[in-house]
Amino acid sequence: AQTVTQSQPEMSVQEAETVTLSCTYDTSENNYYLFWYKQPPSRQMILVIRQEAYKQQNATENRFSVNFQKAAKSFSLKISDSQLGDTAMYFCAFMKHRGASGSRLTFGEGTQLTVNP
Amino acid sequence: DTGVSQNPRHKITKRGQNVTFRCDPISEHNRLYWYRQTLGQGPEFLTYFQNEAQLEKSRLLSDRFSAERPKGSFSTLEIQRTEQGDSAMYLCASSLPLPSGNTIYFGEGSWLTVV
Repeated sequence: AQTVTQSQPEMSVQEAETVTLSCTYDTSENNYYLFWYKQPPSRQMILVIRQEAYKQQNATENRFSVNFQKAAKSFSLKISDSQLGDTAMYFCAFMKHRGASGSRLTFGEGTQLTVNP
Repeated sequence: DTGVSQNPRHKITKRGQNVTFRCDPISEHNRLYWYRQTLGQGPEFLTYFQNEAQLEKSRLLSDRFSAERPKGSFSTLEIQRTEQGDSAMYLCASSLPLPSGNTIYFGEGSWLTVV
């Protein structure tokens, strides 16, 4: 079974600064996907960024980028130029590449990020 | 593309009553998922469908829970004889099949409060 761990229950950052959210996972799979989802107070889960494990290049989406360390099973999210609208709960999630439970997401416990003006 | 739609958005029910939630996935998505999320926790997988077939069920899905997806379109999640521990947000999501469907899109959730 896969597990995802987010060791930072809460973080805060000043507007316009950079913050990094940590995530580690445990799996025996070689091919898989990793995700960061954002859940604002409205509660809708919104995809932030996706990483395929077979790709060595770290994914980037505008102000969001990841540091994917496959050997260390680490997948951190960096948010640059933080904005007030980034305030949300952030979840790291794992998905197997294939098989009976392929496409089932396993989520971490979440990190509540607050961006202060 | 109207996104994943769930209703009702909020439901308050008395313990012992039955409740049903509906989910309409994104139109071209043939995979549909149900997750449960309690306050302060990440979502937990309940079950998923590919078209009308229910391919996997979590051990969290007790006998009081049943999910259906007739004709492979919308899905319903019914909870019978509700208990206070069922109070949670029930999230529906959809995707294309792998490998194209490596992104799962979520609805806004249905809040259940059992009193």
